[in-house]
Amino acid sequence: EPEVTQTPSHQVTQMGQEVILRCVPISNHLYFYWYRQILGQKVEFLVSFYNNEISEKSEIFDDQFSVERPDGSNFTLKIRSTKLEDSAMYFCASSSASTSGYNEQFFGPGTRLTVL
Amino acid sequence: AQSVSQHNHHVILSEAASLELGCNYSYGGTVNLFWYVQYPGQHLQLLLKYFSGDPLVKGIKGFEAEFIKSKFSFNLRKPSVQWSDTAEYFCAVNALRDTGRRALTFGSGTRLQVQP
Repeated sequence: EPEVTQTPSHQVTQMGQEVILRCVPISNHLYFYWYRQILGQKVEFLVSFYNNEISEKSEIFDDQFSVERPDGSNFTLKIRSTKLEDSAMYFCASSSASTSGYNEQFFGPGTRLTVL
Repeated sequence: AQSVSQHNHHVILSEAASLELGCNYSYGGTVNLFWYVQYPGQHLQLLLKYFSGDPLVKGIKGFEAEFIKSKFSFNLRKPSVQWSDTAEYFCAVNALRDTGRRALTFGSGTRLQVQP
């Protein structure tokens, strides 16, 4: 069964450093997402990406964040200058391009980011 | 904007007990509703979904949920839980057909602990 994969599973970084979190969505999916979950809090939407551009973003997704699809398989989230409050589990998800008004999002296992 | 409330934060049951987890959402229009499960150490997996039609939906592993539009609710049920159902359960909603937005809004989750 196809699945979304993410690397690394755990990333530790120093405050102010740049990190890149990587995801490989399901191969025939066209929508890609990033969500995050700060420990003990809700899963929160960050951004969605379609047709090589951002289609939606939340207020959390500020200028320090960026997303890219550098090739035909990877989807990355870059945090330019990490802050302590960026410590969270980051989930990638993907979905097909349904025209019926419904989309099921398939989630990856997550990358736990720890900012020291 | 949508919001989702899950009032049960932590539920402890014995095996074979019946389960009902509450989920209420706030949005007056047409919604897609989801229940995701996260087993310890694993990624979010879709349990079931409501898009339209029969408000009683059946998912995997014997779970079902009932959409009650008048109550803005989508409660998850299982007649007889097993130890292997120990996990965190997340309710989520989007209003794709009304808003064109694919982002999922999640509840805060309910941790279910089933004792053998």
